[in-house]
Amino acid sequence: KQEVTQIPAALSVPEGENLVLNCSFTDSAIYNLQWFRQDPGKGLTSLLLIQSSQREQTSGRLNASLDKSSGRSTLYIAASQPGDSATYLCAVKGGSRLTFGEGTQLTVNP
Amino acid sequence: GAGVSQSPSNKVTEKGKDVELRCDPISGHTALYWYRQRLGQGLEFLIYFQGNSAPDKSGLPSDRFSAERTGESVSTLTIQRTQQEDSAVYLCASSLAVQINNEQFFGPGTRLTVL
Repeated sequence: KQEVTQIPAALSVPEGENLVLNCSFTDSAIYNLQWFRQDPGKGLTSLLLIQSSQREQTSGRLNASLDKSSGRSTLYIAASQPGDSATYLCAVKGGSRLTFGEGTQLTVNP
Repeated sequence: GAGVSQSPSNKVTEKGKDVELRCDPISGHTALYWYRQRLGQGLEFLIYFQGNSAPDKSGLPSDRFSAERTGESVSTLTIQRTQQEDSAVYLCASSLAVQINNEQFFGPGTRLTVL
C-alpha cells in the first residue's frame, strides 16, 4: 500500500526566504507526482505535475524535483511571499487514484 | 463551466439523516474522482468513474456510502444514515482520463457537518 509522508508538518519563515518542502513515498511504481496548494476553506490548486519519466518541473518561483528510485520529491519555493502561506500537499498517482500526504502548513511572515 | 463545481458548499445535517452531494466535472473530462478530507488529515480516495466502465469503489468506507454518475456528466455522492465521523470536506476532481497521465482538477469541496 502506497504511503506518502511530508516533512515538515508546519513551517514558518520570514518573507524573502527560499525554502524546501519534502515529500517521500514508499512505492516507486508511480505514474506521476503532483504538488497542490490548499487555502483554508478552499479546494486544491494544482501547482506542478511531474511525470514519472521527468526529474523536475518549474513554474515561476516554484521548482519541483522527483527522484523516483529513492521515493522522494522536493518543492522549492524561491523568494517566499506572504501570499504563499497555505498548506502544500504532495500526491502520487499509482493506477487510477492519487495518494496524498498530510501536507506542510506554510506561513510566510511579512 | 471553467472548472469543477460542487454543491452545496456547506451542509449541516443531523445524525441519521441522508445527504446527497453533487459534482459537475469539467466538460470533456471522462474521469471523475471523489475524495474525503477529515479535519487535520490528508485526502482519502473514495471512488472513481471512467466513462462507462465499472467504477472503482474500493475506497468507500462503508455500505452507507454510494455514488452515481450518468455518462460523463454530473456525479452524486450519497451518504445514508449519517454519523458524526462522516463530518469532513468532500472533494471532487476530474481529469481527461484515468489511464493517461493527466492532471486532476479539484472542485472547492462540500463541507459536511453531522451534528
